[in-house]
Amino acid sequence: AQTVTQSQPEMSVQEAETVTLSCTYDTSENNYYLFWYKQPPSRQMILVIRQEAYKQQNATENRFSVNFQKAAKSFSLKISDSQLGDTAMYFCAFDQGGSEKLVFGKGTKLTVNP
Amino acid sequence: KAGVTQTPRYLIKTRGQQVTLSCSPISGHRSVSWYQQTPGQGLQFLFEYFSETQRNKGNFPGRFSGRQFSNSRSEMNVSTLELGDSALYLCASSLGAVPTDTQYFGPGTRLTVL
Repeated sequence: AQTVTQSQPEMSVQEAETVTLSCTYDTSENNYYLFWYKQPPSRQMILVIRQEAYKQQNATENRFSVNFQKAAKSFSLKISDSQLGDTAMYFCAFDQGGSEKLVFGKGTKLTVNP
Repeated sequence: KAGVTQTPRYLIKTRGQQVTLSCSPISGHRSVSWYQQTPGQGLQFLFEYFSETQRNKGNFPGRFSGRQFSNSRSEMNVSTLELGDSALYLCASSLGAVPTDTQYFGPGTRLTVL
């Protein structure tokens, strides 16, 4: 079974600074997709960014970017110019189109301090 | 375009009862997946429905079941509730054209079993 590991249960960052959240995964497949989801205290899970494994270029969405290292099976999320609204649980997720659908990591609780 | 909606948002039941949760996907989305979120186990995949057929199923007992209607709305049923079923139940919809289509989540239904 595929597994996703987020080694940082909690992190904090000062407003306007940059923070990187780590994620590693385990799979023997070559084609798959990786996601970062954000779950603010309101509980609505929101898609932050998506990366296709066959693309070498790292995905970016405004202040959010990923560092995808396929050989190392690493998929970290960088948040630039952190804002108070970025405070949330961040989940890394893996999807290879198989029976398990999205496989999630345990999450990283990010707090942005003023 | 309206997002994924789930009803009810909060539910309190007692052990042994059964419960039905509802999910309305984003218009045009044909796939609906259900996930259980608990502090201990994190996010776990329950099942996925596509065009009224169960396409994938997670590792949950038969007390958990679901269905999908012709308008893509989905219901999830849990029979003979146990204390451990207390959780946030998240529904996610996607186009479903390919298994790895991005999933968009609803706000969840918070189920408490007493």
